[in-house]
Amino acid sequence: ETGVTQSPTHLIKTRGQQVTLRCSSQSGHNTVSWYQQALGQGPQFIFQYYREEENGRGNFPPRFSGLQFPNYSSELNVNALELDDSALYLCASSRLATSGSYNEQFFGPGTRLTVL
Amino acid sequence: DAKTTQPTSMDCAEGRAANLPCNHSTISGNEYVYWYRQIHSQGPQYIIHGLKNNETNEMASLIITEDRKSSTLILPHATLRDTAVYYCIVRVGGYGGSQGNLIFGKGTKLSVKP
Repeated sequence: ETGVTQSPTHLIKTRGQQVTLRCSSQSGHNTVSWYQQALGQGPQFIFQYYREEENGRGNFPPRFSGLQFPNYSSELNVNALELDDSALYLCASSRLATSGSYNEQFFGPGTRLTVL
Repeated sequence: DAKTTQPTSMDCAEGRAANLPCNHSTISGNEYVYWYRQIHSQGPQYIIHGLKNNETNEMASLIITEDRKSSTLILPHATLRDTAVYYCIVRVGGYGGSQGNLIFGKGTKLSVKP
């Protein structure tokens, strides 16, 4: 069973730039959620994708956007980077059954983004 | 906001049981209690979850009080590798949209000492 993978591991950008982070979900999972974790805080939910559509969103501005592909992998895009966007970005995959029930979420190792 | 309250930090001696408490006094009838842990600079790792009965797996045991207002995660024989931040989360038992996602608090930093 292949676990959740994320790329890149680390990234440094400057304020105003755009960034794309990538996530491959665990085998058999069809749902991907993205979280932002600032230093010393717990992860904060950004949004979730299911069947290539956004399926729930946390309190993040529209410059945070995403995609999910037919193979269930996903991208997180952040435009007009701000200093406060510096954080660990985590993706988690899970399986949403047709009944509507979820299994638990499995997290990737994260991408550490630094905005200068 | 997180619906749980946990101590900021705890210490445990290696080989002893680690008992991590969590208060969730406003839990709803359809909400489960989930535990995750996060070892430094890694992604959170699922440990266990339960609704109202006590649960046990190869990693830990989860004891939920009868009124479901609090729970305890038990690591029966803590090792140095169990040093991590432990998050207690309540979550609706799985439906679409943001209901299915995890709301993390700051968790409990468990330090296992030799």
